Amino acid sequence: GAGVSQSPSNKVTEKGKDVELRCDPISGHTALYWYRQSLGQGLEFLIYFQGNSAPDKSGLPSDRFSAERTGGSVSTLTIQRTQQEDSAVYLCASSWGLATRHFTDTQYFGPGTRLTVL
Amino acid sequence: DQQVKQNSPSLSVQEGRISILNCDYTNSMFDYFLWYKKYPAEGPTFLISISSIKDKNEDGRFTVFLNKSAKHLSLHIVPSQPGDSAVYFCAAPLQGAQKLVFGQGTRLTINP
Repeated sequence: GAGVSQSPSNKVTEKGKDVELRCDPISGHTALYWYRQSLGQGLEFLIYFQGNSAPDKSGLPSDRFSAERTGGSVSTLTIQRTQQEDSAVYLCASSWGLATRHFTDTQYFGPGTRLTVL
Repeated sequence: DQQVKQNSPSLSVQEGRISILNCDYTNSMFDYFLWYKKYPAEGPTFLISISSIKDKNEDGRFTVFLNKSAKHLSLHIVPSQPGDSAVYFCAAPLQGAQKLVFGQGTRLTINP
């Protein structure tokens, strides 16, 4: 079956412009996550969706960042008025959403979108 | 606050030998740990995990060891193969296992 897909794979934009990044999770996965990886850093959590709701937005760096998910499937991460420090690889992951106290369902990652803000 | 740390940014190992990747954590509430492997231009892929009720988990050439008292885990790959060359991340779930906290990653290079 198809894995997590993300588009575009690369995005170059000018400082101050808005960008939209798209994620198509694995079919049937109810949980969806956004992370980003800045140069030389580990993956940094941004936001988590369960269905269309986002119970955890604690990782969004500023109010310039927003995300939505529709139909329990596709998600869009929007960055308004991009800054150079937003340059990073943005990774989306999905899982079955069955995590309990003693079980963590595996998160499957997409290939990422490399964002470069000039 | 870096709750999961991988202090070695890179590691070079000869093919056929053992690769040992290390990870330290500071949050004593972590009770589950995962290792992910990442090739260039691809997303991380799940490799192996361990629950805090165990101190060892083995899957083929990959073994993860957990030392809770030292807040340390390690990934052993034996024998190392050229296809193992990748960046390896250790991670732990936070707040009810929805959010993963990742280390900075270790780039493993297997030399022929």
